[in-house]
Amino acid sequence: QKEVEQNSGPLSVPEGAIASLNCTYSDRGSQSFFWYRQYSGKSPELIMFIYSNGDKEDGRFTAQLNKASQYVSLLIRDSQPSDSATYLCAVNPGRGSTLGRLYFGRGTQLTVWP
Amino acid sequence: DADVTQTPRNRITKTGKRIMLECSQTKGHDRMYWYRQDPGLGLRLIYYSFDVKDINKGEISDGYSVSRQAQAKFSLSLESAIPNQTALYFCATSEGTGEGQPQHFGDGTRLSIL
Repeated sequence: QKEVEQNSGPLSVPEGAIASLNCTYSDRGSQSFFWYRQYSGKSPELIMFIYSNGDKEDGRFTAQLNKASQYVSLLIRDSQPSDSATYLCAVNPGRGSTLGRLYFGRGTQLTVWP
Repeated sequence: DADVTQTPRNRITKTGKRIMLECSQTKGHDRMYWYRQDPGLGLRLIYYSFDVKDINKGEISDGYSVSRQAQAKFSLSLESAIPNQTALYFCATSEGTGEGQPQHFGDGTRLSIL
């Protein structure tokens, strides 16, 4: 069983603050990692992906990966009310019969208040 | 126009009815997926297909069947619908080459079974 764990939240931060979303995974050999944003009743939207240890930045978003600790995080700087959504972490084991599949966490609900 | 189109967007039907949800894509991707999403349970994989001749069961395939009519089309059927299949259903696609390709989602079908 390939587990992907996220705190369900809700995580509440004021506008302009940094929001930190965390995800752990059980399959040590996992190769690629994705963050999706999902507004209520809408489809998941890809925000970022990361393959290598370290940080990857895209605008206000930074993904951080630590394969040794089996941990991936998403930082949102200068949080805006429009960032209020559920954030899904997804992991691809990248080998064998699971090649191409993504395993999703249950998501963390983020609320950014004005 | 959306790259991944799901029809219908909403459907209400009765227990025991046969239902087909359709997905078509213009992204040229080889891989297609069907998920269901229930509150608090995250995204769960029903079936996936890596090309027209390849169909694989996901985590929760019982009570469902699929057909990959062409590279661009992947349909999900509920042979005899039951109320606990009430959920939000998503189709997704990804590229067929390489590992760790992100998945791109359609807008979803909200299915209610009475």
